[in-house]
Amino acid sequence: ETVLTQSPGSLSLSPGERATLSCRASQTISSNYLGWYQQTPGQAPRLLIFDASKRATGIPARFSGSGSGTDFTLTIDGLEPEDFAVYYCHQYGNSPRTFGQGTKVEIK
Amino acid sequence: EVQLVESGGGLVKPGGSLRLSCTVSGFTLSSYPMSWVRQAPGKGLEWVSSITPSAAYTYYADSVKGRFTISRDNAKNSLYLQMNSLTVEDTAVYYCARRSHFDFWGQGTLVTVSS
Repeated sequence: ETVLTQSPGSLSLSPGERATLSCRASQTISSNYLGWYQQTPGQAPRLLIFDASKRATGIPARFSGSGSGTDFTLTIDGLEPEDFAVYYCHQYGNSPRTFGQGTKVEIK
Repeated sequence: EVQLVESGGGLVKPGGSLRLSCTVSGFTLSSYPMSWVRQAPGKGLEWVSSITPSAAYTYYADSVKGRFTISRDNAKNSLYLQMNSLTVEDTAVYYCARRSHFDFWGQGTLVTVSS
């Protein structure tokens, strides 16, 4: 099973700052099939990035994804108040699919 | 507008069964693979099961293999999850999600397994 390790576990930042979230896989993810999701309390997750770097429909340009192989990054350039949430990475290139444990982005 | 609506959750005793449904609208279900993902209270996301568009292939997490069955009825725009031999560890919100990269999610249905 491909283990995804997200770091840091939590991040305290102010609105307007940049957030850099990491997702490291225990083995190479086939075709870089990695996605990033945002979840706010009581809500379903929302897809932000798929295939490591493609922004989902309707997602603001301040969200970007990068990386390949085993190391992936989600960057949020200029945090907005609605961006404070938990972020998960998910790989769907290897069987079985797996999720990271999440990174919580909190208001400083 | 793409919509996925789960139903069928509730309180069930250990060893019991439950069948979840996910009714979709705004797209042609038969064109997409679908999945179930769950989230235990206060915990992260866990993939449960996936099914190909024509139901030719199904996939399960080890934690549910042999107990859960995923199915679909494309004519009824519906996805299902039959859950048998439930344990307290199955307590979670269950989401249905579209495509391999989960581009759309339902709002979830809560399954509570407790005596």
